[in-house]
Amino acid sequence: AQSVTQLDSQVPVFEEAPVELRCNYSSSVSVYLFWYVQYPNQGLQLLLKYLSGSTLVKGINGFEAEFNKSQTSFHLRKPSVHISDTAEYFCAVSDTTGNQFYFGTGTSLTVIP
Amino acid sequence: DGGITQSPKYLFRKEGQNVTLSCEQNLNHDAMYWYRQDPGQGLRLIYYSQIVNDFQKGDIAEGYSVSREKKESFPLTVTSAQKNPTAFYLCATRPLNTYEQYFGPGTRLTVT
Repeated sequence: AQSVTQLDSQVPVFEEAPVELRCNYSSSVSVYLFWYVQYPNQGLQLLLKYLSGSTLVKGINGFEAEFNKSQTSFHLRKPSVHISDTAEYFCAVSDTTGNQFYFGTGTSLTVIP
Repeated sequence: DGGITQSPKYLFRKEGQNVTLSCEQNLNHDAMYWYRQDPGQGLRLIYYSQIVNDFQKGDIAEGYSVSREKKESFPLTVTSAQKNPTAFYLCATRPLNTYEQYFGPGTRLTVT
């Protein structure tokens, strides 16, 4: 089974500062990678995904992530955060069938005015 | 209005009672999933279904049951055998030719 590690459970950052949320996964085989955002008491919304091709993927709300196969990482970045980015962020890995989705334990991003 | 509907948003039950959570979708997605979310533990897969009348156990299926009689619907029953049923439950769907999952708004179940 896969495992997904989100190294930081909580990340506070000042408004307009850059942020990086870290994600590492355990797999030597091909996987697909995702970042989701969850606002309080809501479902998850897809931010971005990596299936193949360019290792730098851009998503919604100004977020981007870089796939690093040698380090088995998929870190999420944003150059300048807004108050509205305060939420829980989940990294997820899927096997190539699409039926086994493994989630990290989440990173709570708090943007400080 | 397309999407995934989970009802109700909040559900309260007494211990020992079975309860059924609803998940309906009009996206015409083939696969449907149920997850349980607890604080600090991320999401854990309960059951999933790729086609009507077929479903598979996930990592934490004990104490839960599902049915898939229609493509649009995938209800989850939390039985009295589930030892710690209080949690946030999320339904998700996926078209078979893609890999990302789409999530409903969730149902928060509280059992006392």
